[in-house]
Amino acid sequence: DGGITQSPKYLFRKEGQNVTLSCEQNLNHDAMYWYRQDPGQGLRLIYYSQIVNDFQKGDIAEGYSVSREKKESFPLTVTSAQKNPTAFYLCASSMLGGRTEAFFGQGTRLTVV
Amino acid sequence: DQQVKQNSPSLSVQEGRISILNCDYTNSMFDYFLWYKKYPAEGPTFLISISSIKDKNEDGRFTVFLNKSAKHLSLHIVPSQPGDSAVYFCAAITVIQGAQKLVFGQGTRLTINP
Repeated sequence: DGGITQSPKYLFRKEGQNVTLSCEQNLNHDAMYWYRQDPGQGLRLIYYSQIVNDFQKGDIAEGYSVSREKKESFPLTVTSAQKNPTAFYLCASSMLGGRTEAFFGQGTRLTVV
Repeated sequence: DQQVKQNSPSLSVQEGRISILNCDYTNSMFDYFLWYKKYPAEGPTFLISISSIKDKNEDGRFTVFLNKSAKHLSLHIVPSQPGDSAVYFCAAITVIQGAQKLVFGQGTRLTINP
């Protein structure tokens, strides 16, 4: 059945290392998004993409990078330049061409140790 | 610059009563609004939405009201049930240079007391 899969659910990283979070969707959605959730700050937009090989920075893109080589996949790399990477990361997707809801994955909890 | 604001971090309501969650926005280009419900360590799930051409949308126990002149929307849950205890996010959609962007508020934690 259709949905968005994020992996892994929990991830530990040593300080100074890059790490890549996976996001795959089989909903045939064009748009995909990455959000970060911190306590008391809601969901903040990191990057978003409308079509393959194109993406835009969100509100807090510094220290992150993305790629969109396939419609189904939108991986997020948390680089060593991200000063405070410990957070809950959420991937979402939606259709384009009309105002519709976005569907979310189950999230990845990243902890820097 | 917080374009979507939920000024109440938490709300406590007795079971069976009405829960009212509020949301304000500043960007007049927003033309579609959504409410999501989120449990801890899970992704948000869509609840209900409203287009800017409407002022009310109802789905079972959930009703969303939009006041465009005040740039304010609210979610009413009636009657409230224990399973409604969660964090609720208000979100808005705008299109920037052809790209659809979804902006969220900070969330309100709703607790339903028996």
